[in-house]
Amino acid sequence: EIVLTQSPATLSLSPGERATLSCRASQSVSSFLVWYQQKPGQAPRLLIYDASNRAPGIPARFSGSGSGTDFTLTISSLEPEDFAVYYCQQRSNWPELTFGGGTKVEIK
Amino acid sequence: QVQLVESGGGLVKPGGSLRLSCSASGFIFSDYYMYWIRQAPGKGLEWVSHISNSAPTIYYADSVKGRFTISRDNAENSLYLQMNSLRAEDTAVYYCATDCLNSICYWGQGTLVTVSS
Repeated sequence: EIVLTQSPATLSLSPGERATLSCRASQSVSSFLVWYQQKPGQAPRLLIYDASNRAPGIPARFSGSGSGTDFTLTISSLEPEDFAVYYCQQRSNWPELTFGGGTKVEIK
Repeated sequence: QVQLVESGGGLVKPGGSLRLSCSASGFIFSDYYMYWIRQAPGKGLEWVSHISNSAPTIYYADSVKGRFTISRDNAENSLYLQMNSLRAEDTAVYYCATDCLNSICYWGQGTLVTVSS
């Protein structure tokens, strides 16, 4: 099983600040890494696929980078609606899919 | 637009059974792999099962293998999850979702399953 470890668990920032979220895989997942955003009481929403491709309709302030075992989701300037939980997910080990434990981005 | 609407959740006793349904619209259902993903209260996301679009190939997480059965009816644009021998640890919101862009791209709003005596 490929384990994804997200850090930090919680990120306390102010609107307008830059957010940097990390996802580390226990073994290489190549570029088969996905990022989702989830707000309270809502289903997850796809943000980034194949490590660095923004999904349709996702603002340019969201960017993904990395390959192999180390990945980063960056939000260049936080908007009020960006405070949420973010999950990474791998599909390198198809058909088994695994998710990271999540990073909560909260208002400081 | 894409819509996925889950139903069938509720309260069930340990050892009991439940059948979840997901009604899909706004896309060609028969073209897409479909998923069940769950989320225990206050916890993260867990892949449960997925099924290919036709002549179905089916996969399960080890945690549900032998107890859960995924199926689909392409004529009815519907996805199902038959859950047997339910345990307390199966308590979660169950999401129906589609595969696209090498990811899980559209999600329903989920249906809550509570396993408790």
